[in-house]
Amino acid sequence: GAGVSQSPSNKVTEKGKDVELRCDPISGHTALYWYRQSLGQGLEFLIYFQGNSAPDKSGLPSDRFSAERTGGSVSTLTIQRTQQEDSAVYLCASSSGTVNYGYTFGSGTRLTVV
Amino acid sequence: AQSVTQPDIHITVSEGASLELRCNYSYGATPYLFWYVQSPGQGLQLLLKYFSGDTLVQGIKGFEAEFKRSQSSFNLRKPSVHWSDAAEYFCAFTGTSYGKLTFGQGTILTVHP
Repeated sequence: GAGVSQSPSNKVTEKGKDVELRCDPISGHTALYWYRQSLGQGLEFLIYFQGNSAPDKSGLPSDRFSAERTGGSVSTLTIQRTQQEDSAVYLCASSSGTVNYGYTFGSGTRLTVV
Repeated sequence: AQSVTQPDIHITVSEGASLELRCNYSYGATPYLFWYVQSPGQGLQLLLKYFSGDTLVQGIKGFEAEFKRSQSSFNLRKPSVHWSDAAEYFCAFTGTSYGKLTFGQGTILTVHP
């Protein structure tokens, strides 16, 4: 597609439930990133996929968070047993792998845990 | 530690006035530097980026930024602000061509008519 697509745009879930957030990157982009944006915390890096390399998971806040990228394209971020502190906007970005073209961000998924 | 600092959390300017948003980085080599803008409820839009070469970079919407190695800074400027520039601005950097971005805390810009 023309841009990075994220779904759903909004998600309200009950504490303790699992959620899946989807990111569809720009076609042909080899690198995909997940960030979390919350009040008081700014933009936090979560995880990064580059081609067939092992993902950089160094930003995942706990083992309740996981992500996968299937076929080098679509990525799903899964949060298990959601907590109220997981409420945030989750942003996905993709890159062609050369920084000259920058990183393109999606509009994000706003997650609210009640 | 590698980091980006935006010293100003909130800046207010009058429409038509000049603008400078500050960004300082801490990194052992020359970083790749970016400025993004985020309007309420929107994703991040790239304003401009610096990799190498000319230290004065032109971006979209009339913005420019200057890389100053001696000051570890990459300040964003605009000569005349428009009401539509009201948004949150983020400075970011990475040390590799496809590495993760490290963001500053953001500066909220309010524009008075």
